[in-house]
Amino acid sequence: TQLLEQSPQFLSIQEGENLTVYCNSSSVFSSLQWYRQEPGEGPVLLVTVVTGGEVKKLKRLTFQFGDARKDSSLHITAAQPGDTGLYLCAGRRGGQSFVFGPGTRLSVLP
Amino acid sequence: GAVVSQHPSWVICKSGTSVKIECRSLDFQATTMFWYRQFPKQSLMLMATSNEGSKATYEQGVEKDKFLINHASLTLSTLTVTSAHPEDSSFYICSARDMFQGSSYNSPLHFGNGTRLTVT
Repeated sequence: TQLLEQSPQFLSIQEGENLTVYCNSSSVFSSLQWYRQEPGEGPVLLVTVVTGGEVKKLKRLTFQFGDARKDSSLHITAAQPGDTGLYLCAGRRGGQSFVFGPGTRLSVLP
Repeated sequence: GAVVSQHPSWVICKSGTSVKIECRSLDFQATTMFWYRQFPKQSLMLMATSNEGSKATYEQGVEKDKFLINHASLTLSTLTVTSAHPEDSSFYICSARDMFQGSSYNSPLHFGNGTRLTVT
């Protein structure tokens, strides 16, 4: 059983379109992180959200942490081919380790 | 930014042999490092938490005698896959937490670039 669910699993869009990917759980997390991973490389941290309801923006990326700290969303405005990759959410419940979601594989076509 | 170096980047070994993977934090100290395994088109699965100067904590289902972890210094953790078999072929990734950056709630994990292990 996946502790974290991510949707959609795959997403292929045209350059310039907007998109939202979701990360959901029945568990409460003390913090949640979003990463992007490219093939053959390790994940790269995009953002950390800690407070319920928190919204963070990183250029064209907007991240939101649910009020109950059980879910999160990532919205990309005007997607570009460079945004292509595997987007992973990771939640920390306690201690130091994170549990990762299955990821959303995004492909942005030029 | 913080850099984690993983070596080797890829390795091919014969069934029955052992392979050691190194994970180094290059510009920060890490009391805790994490080892993950990632199968093709799947997410990262935490294998174990490596603690400097003490025994590693393994996740359920991970054989500690098969995946030996040593964290002898604040900048180095090693994972040894003993008596490797083809089913151990995977992408192994380590991450490290900067013990002086952020709090226990929001400190980032710095990932290495992974090691692709192929067992023939």
